[in-house]
Amino acid sequence: NAGVTQTPKFRVLKTGQSMTLLCAQDMNHEYMYWYRQDPGMGLRLIHYSVGEGTTAKGEVPDGYNVSRLKKQNFLLGLESAAPSQTSVYFCASNEPGYEQYFGPGTRLTVT
Amino acid sequence: AQTVTQSQPEMSVQEAETVTLSCTYDTSENNYYLFWYKQPPSRQMILVIRQEAYKQQNATENRFSVNFQKAAKSFSLKISDSQLGDTAMYFCAFMKSLISGGYNKLIFGAGTRLAVHP
Repeated sequence: NAGVTQTPKFRVLKTGQSMTLLCAQDMNHEYMYWYRQDPGMGLRLIHYSVGEGTTAKGEVPDGYNVSRLKKQNFLLGLESAAPSQTSVYFCASNEPGYEQYFGPGTRLTVT
Repeated sequence: AQTVTQSQPEMSVQEAETVTLSCTYDTSENNYYLFWYKQPPSRQMILVIRQEAYKQQNATENRFSVNFQKAAKSFSLKISDSQLGDTAMYFCAFMKSLISGGYNKLIFGAGTRLAVHP
């Protein structure tokens, strides 16, 4: 039981490049989330999903897209990376009403 | 909108002593959950303790306990017999109950960096 996993763990992008972060969970959770963590701040919600095939915007969705084609996977895409997207990205999942379990994070640097 | 405030950016404590981290929150909801998450240097977010707002009894998990004051909207974390491995960022977080509608969005405070010294 691996819990929540994220790939890659680190990535450096140039401004304007695109990439996809993959989150996978093996707990059969309905809900999945993408957060970003910036220095001096708590985690902020980018997008979330309440089930396979559904996605919705969180607090800071601009510049990101997501997809949840399979229940266990939640993808976060950056179509044209900007330096302001330099951050640590966390994926999380939970069953409704229960605590969220987090992945190990992805450190992304955009130069 | 809900907000979570952690007024102590940094704290330090000697090994084996007790430390209390503060958290206040603002909400008009009556049903909700509160959490403390620990983030060590490894970056992994680890759940420390959970409190349901409808429960009057304060949650405890081994050396970790909370002081939940619903009327004051206060949710502090007490760490007893501090250990070097407790060194980490600690985040207080609020989650609305699904009974209130919506989804399980977690709202985080800015965090408190705790250093445990030998």
